[in-house]
Amino acid sequence: NAGVTQTPKFQVLKTGQSMTLQCAQDMNHEYMSWYRQDPGMGLRLIHYSVGAGITDQGEVPNGYNVSRSTTEDFPLRLLSAAPSQTSVYFCASRARPSGNTIYFGEGSWLTVV
Amino acid sequence: AQKITQTQPGMFVQEKEAVTLDCTYDTSDQSYGLFWYKQPSSGEMIFLIYQGSYDEQNATEGRYSLNFQKARKSANLVISASQLGDSAMYFCAMREGSGTYKYIFGTGTRLKVLA
Repeated sequence: NAGVTQTPKFQVLKTGQSMTLQCAQDMNHEYMSWYRQDPGMGLRLIHYSVGAGITDQGEVPNGYNVSRSTTEDFPLRLLSAAPSQTSVYFCASRARPSGNTIYFGEGSWLTVV
Repeated sequence: AQKITQTQPGMFVQEKEAVTLDCTYDTSDQSYGLFWYKQPSSGEMIFLIYQGSYDEQNATEGRYSLNFQKARKSANLVISASQLGDSAMYFCAMREGSGTYKYIFGTGTRLKVLA
């Protein structure tokens, strides 16, 4: 039972570098999303997708890019990393349309120096 | 605007006692969903319990129950018979409306269970 799988778990980047956080789910969920978690701020939605080829912005999309070429995968790209993007990133998915609960990956700890 | 408020940054409870974690929400939608997640020190987000806005009964899952008071817009989590393994961060969340995919989260409550 893989569920939602995120890689890498830990990453250190230098300011200005780009990288991609990978997210894959094996539950045939149409809805996938990315959140960032910062101390004292809970989780904030970055981008989400309701199916292959469909993406939309969440609350804090600036500096991030996403694409959804398959149902299974939803990568998050940091275009030019900034220290403000130091955070824990969670990928989540749920069934659509009848699902209610979102299920999270284990998180990716990103530090930008 | 939709909002989730968790006013307790930290809570202590004695092992085997019950504890209530507060959550209030603000929405103008008639149809919405409320959730609680647990985040242990290892960092993963674990789904605990769900309550739909039209559900008349309070949701229960084992030792977890959700005290849903619609008129007061509160969705408190009650953990009965606390265990040391319940020590974690707890997040309240809301799905905005029906047929939408935006979930908003509170800032969390850190629970420490004392032996």
